[in-house]
Amino acid sequence: DIQMTQSPSSLSASVGDRVTITCRASQSISSYLNWYQQKPGKAPKLLIYGTSSLQSGVPSRFSGSGSGTDFTLTISSLQPEDFATYYCQQSYSTLTFGQGTRLEIK
Amino acid sequence: EVQLVESGGGLVQPGGSLRLSCAASGFTFSSYSINWVRQAPGKGLEWVSYISTSSSTIYYADSVKGRFTISRDNAKNSLYLQMNSLRAEDTAVYYCARDRSSSWQLDYWGQGTLVTVSS
Repeated sequence: DIQMTQSPSSLSASVGDRVTITCRASQSISSYLNWYQQKPGKAPKLLIYGTSSLQSGVPSRFSGSGSGTDFTLTISSLQPEDFATYYCQQSYSTLTFGQGTRLEIK
Repeated sequence: EVQLVESGGGLVQPGGSLRLSCAASGFTFSSYSINWVRQAPGKGLEWVSYISTSSSTIYYADSVKGRFTISRDNAKNSLYLQMNSLRAEDTAVYYCARDRSSSWQLDYWGQGTLVTVSS
């Protein structure tokens, strides 16, 4: 199985900050990388698929980049509704998720 | 509006069985692959199983292989997960999630159903 490792595991930031979350795959997954946002008590929500394509309805302050084994999710200017847990997920083979990054208010 | 609604969760003893259902609406169910994903309390997401549109392709995580069985009924717009020989470590919220384009991109999720395995 392909292992996905996110960093950091948790992050404190303020509204308006630019935030970057990193995801590393245990082997090359080309561009088969997706990002999800999950708020407490809610189901995950697809934000970005195929490394950099924004899911319909997702604000443009979210962006993704990378290829091979290293990927990033960037939020350009944090909004109050962005405080949540973020997961990366590889779709190169039977899917696996990263362990999550909890984004908290500073 | 795309909707996925899970049901069938509850408290079951170790070694017991449970059958989860996922009712789909708002889209052509037979045209989409579907996955089950679970989340243990306070933990991250774990993929459980995948079924293709016609049920011809099925995959399971190693942690549930041989104990869980995924199935679907396209005529009833429904997905199922038969869970046997349940263990404490199967305790989790179970989500069904639509596969965006048979590409392991999960674009719609249900609200989840909680399975608790405990004596």
